[in-house]
Order: sequence, then C-alpha cells, then structure tokens
Amino acid sequence: GESVGLHLPTLSVQEGDNSIINCAYSNSASDYFIWYKQESGKGPQFIIDIRSNMDKRQGQRVTVLLNKTVKHLSLQIAATQPGDSAVYFCAENEGIFGNEKLTFGTGTRLTIIP
Amino acid sequence: DTGVSQDPRHKITKRGQNVTFRCDPISEHNRLYWYRQTLGQGPEFLTYFQNEAQLEKSRLLSDRFSAERPKGSFSTLEIQRTEQGDSAMYLCASSLGKRSEAFFGQGTRLTVV
Repeated sequence: GESVGLHLPTLSVQEGDNSIINCAYSNSASDYFIWYKQESGKGPQFIIDIRSNMDKRQGQRVTVLLNKTVKHLSLQIAATQPGDSAVYFCAENEGIFGNEKLTFGTGTRLTIIP
Repeated sequence: DTGVSQDPRHKITKRGQNVTFRCDPISEHNRLYWYRQTLGQGPEFLTYFQNEAQLEKSRLLSDRFSAERPKGSFSTLEIQRTEQGDSAMYLCASSLGKRSEAFFGQGTRLTVV
C-alpha cells in the first residue's frame, strides 16, 4: 500500500551543527506535507508544512524541501540545540479529493550531542 | 492553555473493562481527529469529525471502538472490552480545515493489564 517512510531511524548531530532529516513518500496523490517533532511522553508538535506547489519553505531555523519528482521530503534544522533532540515525523495528506487523514512515517530520532 | 486538551493523561485498566477518553480541541477548530500511536511508530489514523459529523473511520477502528462529538466541540473515544493490544497512546488533533495545520494534544496513554 501507499506509505510514508524515512531513510534513517536515528541521527546524532553535534550541537551547533546543521541536521538534515529525510523522508520518502510513495503516494503520488499527496499534495500536503507536514513535519512534526515529538518529545518523549508528549504529543506531536507541528514544525512546518509545505504544499506541493512549492519546493521549499523556511521557518525559524527550519527549512523543508520537497522534491516531487523523486517523492522526497527533507527537514533541515540549522544550528541545532539540545532542545531539538526528539523524534521527527513526516506526514502526508492526499490531494483535494482525497481523504482527511495524515499518514505518518515511523520517525527519525535526532540526538544532539553537547 | 488554548491548545488541544486530553483527559486523562494516563489510564491503566484491566482487560475486558471499558474506557472512555475525552478530547477538547482548539475552540474554533471544526475538524477533530483521533490517532493511535504504539511505541516506536508514527501515529495511525482512527477517525475524524467535521463539526459533529463523523466523516471517516479507519479499518483499525473495530466495533469495540466508538467516537462521538455530540455538539461539535469536545469528543469522546470509548473502547469496550479492552484487550492488551489496545495498549497505546491515543492522540487527538484538531484543525481549522482540510490540509491545514493539525495541532495535537498530549495524548492519553492506555495500558491494558
């Protein structure tokens, strides 16, 4: 079936360095994508979203890149801080005629090394 | 706190008992979602409401599960005759519209013993 997956389950980055978390999706009908951050024992926290009519979107210290040709999504976090340590999920939603649900990948655990 | 609120945060129940969880969405959000998350996995969609109407249910939602949103505000998720496999984090989310930011609550962690 269609699914969202991540290339790497874990990622360790030195504090202050930039990190890149990757995500592959297979549903060509998806046109809306979200990155969530989840800390232990908490619900997912919205980070940034992007629609399929864009290939890049920037937020505060975060950038999401979307490559529809190869169905790839990435989250770049600049100047990582200890508080960035968490599990990061990408999620996708189908197009305007699709259903309402978000389909999540299994997540990447990001660890910031002090 | 104007975010999504879930109650209780934790629930331990014996197998075969019924449990009910509550979700209070962000007040102006007309869409409300329930997801289930097991350890090490991403959230899985269960069901969704637009106002008081339950418009979509996942095949994961067996007949032991029922969700309501009677006045288009808060929602409840009931699990009857709980099984050990129901142990998970149950997450509620709300949003203003389709393909807009969905904000999640802190979740209710259910443990069935």
